[in-house]
Amino acid sequence: KNEVEQSPQNLTAQEGEFITINCSYSVGISALHWLQQHPGGGIVSLFMLSSGKKKHGRLIATINIQEKHSSLHITASHPRDSAVYICAVETYNNNDMRFGAGTRLTVKP
Amino acid sequence: GAGVSQTPSNKVTEKGKYVELRCDPISGHTALYWYRQSLGQGPEFLIYFQGTGAADDSGLPNDRFFAVRPEGSVSTLKIQRTERGDSAVYLCASSIHRMNTQYFGPGTRLTVL
Repeated sequence: KNEVEQSPQNLTAQEGEFITINCSYSVGISALHWLQQHPGGGIVSLFMLSSGKKKHGRLIATINIQEKHSSLHITASHPRDSAVYICAVETYNNNDMRFGAGTRLTVKP
Repeated sequence: GAGVSQTPSNKVTEKGKYVELRCDPISGHTALYWYRQSLGQGPEFLIYFQGTGAADDSGLPNDRFFAVRPEGSVSTLKIQRTERGDSAVYLCASSIHRMNTQYFGPGTRLTVL
């Protein structure tokens, strides 16, 4: 079992829909990251969370430390949101980062 | 300001050759990370530098892989006796300190023929 599990693996939505991507992890963490990877391969860090909730524009990220679960929400989705969204955790005792397999989001106009 | 840059953007080499991949982090960032991403998979941690020292190299797959950051800024990932399985995109990221947001470079696509 992977230490970081994301769901769904693939997600297709219509423009304007509200989108949720989930991440569960099984290790102790010091922080959780949501990353966005576009088809060209470039990775952008969207959020870094250690508790609670963060909002940036149409993106919202939440984390529940007790349940070892985080969600990334996109409101009023747009085709330009199409990308792979990756959940990654910084493990508590180590310096490395463990990555989920990613969720491929396609938003259709 | 300038982000993280990586050179070369693409590298094609033959099996058994030696390659060096370079990462220029954002100025002032003390933490630097190397990751590897194989086709269709998420990134995989390789090594983390805090300043000049490798704070964690547990992700390096074997002793053919080595990385340095002699002056605490630019880092070079070195791969000896390359194998076809080394083909991947090698990503570098930097952050102000370990617990801060990481900023990723565009990656170097390595192809070993």
